[in-house]
Amino acid sequence: EPEVTQTPSHQVTQMGQEVILRCVPISNHLYFYWYRQILGQKVEFLVSFYNNEISEKSEIFDDQFSVERPDGSNFTLKIRSTKLEDSAMYFCASRPRRGGDEQYFGPGTRLTVT
Amino acid sequence: AQSVTQPDIHITVSEGASLELRCNYSYGATPYLFWYVQSPGQGLQLLLKYFSGDTLVQGIKGFEAEFKRSQSSFNLRKPSVHWSDAAEYFCAVAAYNTDKLIFGTGTRLQVFP
Repeated sequence: EPEVTQTPSHQVTQMGQEVILRCVPISNHLYFYWYRQILGQKVEFLVSFYNNEISEKSEIFDDQFSVERPDGSNFTLKIRSTKLEDSAMYFCASRPRRGGDEQYFGPGTRLTVT
Repeated sequence: AQSVTQPDIHITVSEGASLELRCNYSYGATPYLFWYVQSPGQGLQLLLKYFSGDTLVQGIKGFEAEFKRSQSSFNLRKPSVHWSDAAEYFCAVAAYNTDKLIFGTGTRLQVFP
């Protein structure tokens, strides 16, 4: 069964450094998402992406964050200058179409900012 | 604003016992409702979903959930829990005109033999 994959599984970085989290969505899906889960807190929506542009973003998704689909298979989340509070589990998800269907989640990347 | 409440942070049951995990949502119209499960080190796996129609929905792994509009609830149930059901369970809601899922804080299920 096709699944969403994410790399790396764990990333440790120093405050102020740039990080890129990578995701490979399911191949025929058209809608892509990033969520994050700070330890002990709920899963929070960051951004949705469709047709090579952001369709919705949360207030968390400020200018330090960006997303890109550089080729036909990858979907990346970049944090330009990491802060301690960016430490979290980041989940990528994809969906084949909007409405009437669920989002398929990847296993997550644990980001630790020191 | 939409919100999801899972009142139970941690539940412990014996293997073979029945289970009910509570979920209440806040949303004006009929929402799309989901239950996801997260095992340690794993991503979020969909257990079941409700969009419309029959208010009792069946999911994978023997789970079911019932949508009750009058109570704004979507509780997850299983008649007999297995040790492998130990995991974190998340209820989520989505509106038709938005892409985002809004999650509850999750319920951690522990199963004793």
